Amino acid sequence: EAGVAQSPRYKIIEKRQSVAFWCNPISGHATLYWYQQILGQGPKLLIQFQNNGVVDDSQLPKDRFSAERLKGVDSTLKIQPAKLEDSAVYLCASSLVPGYRGPGNIQYFGAGTRLSVL
Amino acid sequence: ELKVEQNPLFLSMQEGKNYTIYCNYSTTSDRLYWYRQDPGKSLESLFVLLSNGAVKQEGRLMASLDTKARLSTLHITAAVHDLSATYFCAVEDWNSGGSNYKLTFGKGTLLTVNP
Repeated sequence: EAGVAQSPRYKIIEKRQSVAFWCNPISGHATLYWYQQILGQGPKLLIQFQNNGVVDDSQLPKDRFSAERLKGVDSTLKIQPAKLEDSAVYLCASSLVPGYRGPGNIQYFGAGTRLSVL
Repeated sequence: ELKVEQNPLFLSMQEGKNYTIYCNYSTTSDRLYWYRQDPGKSLESLFVLLSNGAVKQEGRLMASLDTKARLSTLHITAAVHDLSATYFCAVEDWNSGGSNYKLTFGKGTLLTVNP
């Protein structure tokens, strides 16, 4: 089965520019997550979708970050305008059954997009 | 707010030795996940611990969960170089809207196994 696909793998921009990341989750996975991983730290959840609705965006800096999930499948995360502190790896993950507390709701991660803001 | 603390954050060990990584968390949860991350790569699921007293083993790694102590351990037996990676624990909890579950990750433990 194909994994979580993300693009681009790397992006270098200058501060105040805009950037967008794309994610295609594993087929059939209802829940999609965007994480920010700063060097030396664990992933931090930015936004969580269930199908095409947002279920948690409490840690998303909404003045500059936005995300959408088209038709409950692909998702894009945008930063506009970027700041130096946005330099990080942006990880997308998906899981099979939203909120199901059966055999474990494992999240499967993509390879990430490494963003450098200069 | 759920806090997840791992220690140590850095671990350098010799091949053949044993060691344990600890993961403490601040609220009640009975579901904990361990992930591995190789440099420049994404996170790979290692273990899912779903109840108090759960123990899972795969090769030289064994994970356990004590929900009363809010503690999980990842024990490494007779380490080999291939185990060098960063290991994260993640605790499952309700999201802010109370409608779904989310993971809160620790900072990770960078493990280096030296010949």
